[in-house]
Amino acid sequence: QKEVEQNSGPLSVPEGAIASLNCTYSDRVSQSFFWYRQYSGKSPELIMSIYSNGDKEDGRFTAQLNKASQYVSLLIRDSQPSDSATYLCAVSPGGYNKLIFGAGTRLAVHP
Amino acid sequence: EPEVTQTPSHQVTQMGQEVILRCVPISNHLYFYWYRQILGQKVEFLVSFYNNEISEKSEIFDDQFSVERPDGSNFTLKIRSTKLEDSAMYFCASSSDRGETQYFGPGTRLLVL
Repeated sequence: QKEVEQNSGPLSVPEGAIASLNCTYSDRVSQSFFWYRQYSGKSPELIMSIYSNGDKEDGRFTAQLNKASQYVSLLIRDSQPSDSATYLCAVSPGGYNKLIFGAGTRLAVHP
Repeated sequence: EPEVTQTPSHQVTQMGQEVILRCVPISNHLYFYWYRQILGQKVEFLVSFYNNEISEKSEIFDDQFSVERPDGSNFTLKIRSTKLEDSAMYFCASSSDRGETQYFGPGTRLLVL
């Protein structure tokens, strides 16, 4: 069974701080990795995609991928109250064209 | 900016009834998906569709479920005889290629009574 694991949180950070979200996956040959943000009652909204080992930065967001450790993370710099949401890690396992989602980490940014 | 649309936004039905959920994927995308999310649980893959046929399906996607692309724009999910446990949010998604980013529609909240 291919799994994606995330700490459910809540992760509480003060406004302006760095939020660090982590995800591990079980399928060693996974090739595509995504972070989505989901507000309560809404659909997943893409934050970042990452396909290669290393860091990928987009504005306040940085995704980090380590395939050897089967680990992907998301850093949010200068966190804002509007970043308060559930962050979903999604992995596309090798050989499959589907996403396997983690349960999500709930982030709360307090003023 | 192109987006995936879904109708209806909410659907209430009686157990045993058939429902059809509709989606319009992003126009130049070739891969289409359905996912569901039971309240408080993770998003779960149901089925992927490419070139007018199912390419993958999960264990959830049993004989009660079917998908169709009846014309050049719509992509539908039919649940033949709904059960209480089918109550969930159903998301349609599309992508331009295999393994590429999947963009999600706003979802249809299905409630089976």
